[in-house]
Amino acid sequence: DQQVKQNSPSLSVQEGRISILNCDYTNSMFDYFLWYKKYPAEGPTFLISISSIKDKNEDGRFTVFLNKSAKHLSLHIVPSQPGDSAVYFCAASEPYSGAGSYQLTFGKGTKLSVIP
Amino acid sequence: DVKVTQSSRYLVKRTGEKVFLECVQDMDHENMFWYRQDPGLGLRLIYFSYDVKMKEKGDIPEGYSVSREKKERFSLILESASTNQTSMYLCASRFRGFSGNTIYFGEGSWLTVV
Repeated sequence: DQQVKQNSPSLSVQEGRISILNCDYTNSMFDYFLWYKKYPAEGPTFLISISSIKDKNEDGRFTVFLNKSAKHLSLHIVPSQPGDSAVYFCAASEPYSGAGSYQLTFGKGTKLSVIP
Repeated sequence: DVKVTQSSRYLVKRTGEKVFLECVQDMDHENMFWYRQDPGLGLRLIYFSYDVKMKEKGDIPEGYSVSREKKERFSLILESASTNQTSMYLCASRFRGFSGNTIYFGEGSWLTVV
């Protein structure tokens, strides 16, 4: 049962254009969503997050949009740069419910290639 | 800056060997995690520790055990390595108490079992 789905394993975009990475979820209890970026042979690094009480969060070239009714979020990168080429993971978290709670679920990732 | 350090970046072990992967974080995080990453399968949680000596199984704990004797250190143990445990292993940590807390990853350990 995959609660967080990234249906596109890969995406190619021309440099300077917009990259849109999508993520769908099924668990309505998720209250926080995070995006991570991963280069080959490195650990993932945090990119941007959004609370379920918001529908948009922006940080420089990166914007995350949340559509709760559709259980869908997307990461927009504008303009895309060759250095953005990486695997992007979407993650979702349930509210904290005690010391032993974990409730962080990752998607399988989307590999973005930005073509110069 | 938060630092999560994995002691070994690249290891080659023989089938049946006992393997230790060590991880240290310097931010006093309560929660620590071990994941493995495989192509097409994303990040899969092996074990999670929410405090010293406390642990919970993740999605794929079979063939693994963990140890957390000190808050800053979380070890992953492969009791008898097998070829299907060839993978990239990622350690991570974060503060507990809030679902939006950022999880910080180490650089990963590439394990090849031959």
